Amino acid sequence: GAVVSQHPSRVICKSGTSVKIECRSLDFQATTMFWYRQFPKQSLMLMATSNEGSKATYEQGVEKDKFLINHASLTLSTLTVTSAHPEDSSFYICSAQAGALYEQYFGPGTRLTVT
Amino acid sequence: QKEVEQNSGPLSVPEGAIASLNCTYSDRGSQSFFWYRQYSGKSPELIMSIYSNGDKEDGRFTAQLNKASQYVSLLIRDSQPSDSATYLCAVTNYGGSQGNLIFGKGTKLSVKP
Repeated sequence: GAVVSQHPSRVICKSGTSVKIECRSLDFQATTMFWYRQFPKQSLMLMATSNEGSKATYEQGVEKDKFLINHASLTLSTLTVTSAHPEDSSFYICSAQAGALYEQYFGPGTRLTVT
Repeated sequence: QKEVEQNSGPLSVPEGAIASLNCTYSDRGSQSFFWYRQYSGKSPELIMSIYSNGDKEDGRFTAQLNKASQYVSLLIRDSQPSDSATYLCAVTNYGGSQGNLIFGKGTKLSVKP
């Protein structure tokens, strides 16, 4: 149980275009999902917390107009990187919170390369 | 500032030995504690969770929690080369912002055949 999927697993896009990443909880409902970014050889960085039916909460320094988050259902959250630039190239990972004890299960991640 | 501290390593152990990974946290109100394993280029995988003082065993893994000392550890018995990965300690406070996990920077474990 507690499987989280992400799509796409890898994407290459041109500078200035937008990319949408989907995160789905496959066998449980997740009121809360999280979006992280990880640069090579660095720690996970929490970008935002996504709650079903409400606006996302962004961490300090993360531009909410650039990283659009939508959590329209209890099993789906999306992250759209708008007007992507090469410095946005990174490993984006979502997680979904399960149960009352705050366990988080991670998706397999999306590797974004902006050329 | 809530912090979770881990030695970055690398921690190198021979195959078959016990690997001991340690973690301290600053928020005394932390309630849930987790160990994640992250292979290079992959996302973290939850391997252990612990909520009360003492030991919790799952196969070759044992998590230990001491809330008085604000200390969590993970023991891996009979270490295998496939255990080579970065191990992330994470804690959360139920009263915290929607149960956000605070992650340590991770300890890189290398198990030598």
